[in-house]
Amino acid sequence: DVKVTQSSRYLVKRTGEKVFLECVQDMDHENMFWYRQDPGLGLRLIYFSYDVKMKEKGDIPEGYSVSREKKERFSLILESASTNQTSMYLCASSPTGGLTKNIQYFGAGTRLSVL
Amino acid sequence: SQQGEEDPQALSIQEGENATMNCSYKTSINNLQWYRQNSGRGLVHLILIRSNEREKHSGRLRVTLDTSKKSSSLLITASRAADTASYFCATPSGTYKYIFGTGTRLKVLA
Repeated sequence: DVKVTQSSRYLVKRTGEKVFLECVQDMDHENMFWYRQDPGLGLRLIYFSYDVKMKEKGDIPEGYSVSREKKERFSLILESASTNQTSMYLCASSPTGGLTKNIQYFGAGTRLSVL
Repeated sequence: SQQGEEDPQALSIQEGENATMNCSYKTSINNLQWYRQNSGRGLVHLILIRSNEREKHSGRLRVTLDTSKKSSSLLITASRAADTASYFCATPSGTYKYIFGTGTRLKVLA
């Protein structure tokens, strides 16, 4: 079974703090994604990575950065957390080929509150 | 850049009944996926249907795709309380990315 692990289920941070959200997948997938999910807005893509050290902006990259130094790990960084970044953050991975090509496997999510 | 939109936004049915939810999208696609999300958890892939397929089954799930109408439907037959979840359609945006709709919240009453 594919496993995508997010480092924290719940996180509470203060405004202005630097926040790291970590995601690790164990299936050697090339693609990794970070989404945020807000009521009524669905999932919105923040950043996407298709290879180590490669990244691509999604629909809402402002206020975020990412790091992918190893294939299995994709980190989301909030440089200076703000209250409007309070949200559920979901990490996903997908392979580029094979029978499960383009199927995304999600972590359990991190609910972040910025006070 | 919303692509797929689910309808209805919320659905409440009795256990044993069938649940149907719909997804409409705007541009041509070569496949469409459906996912389920239990409350407060990540999404789980249910089924992928390709543009050359009109219907696909997986257990109690039946998915249809009508490319001429740019719409898809997900039918859950003989629903159970455990089917209570949000259901999302996802359509391709570029080579590997997908756009997810806002979801249908299904509640199955025991």
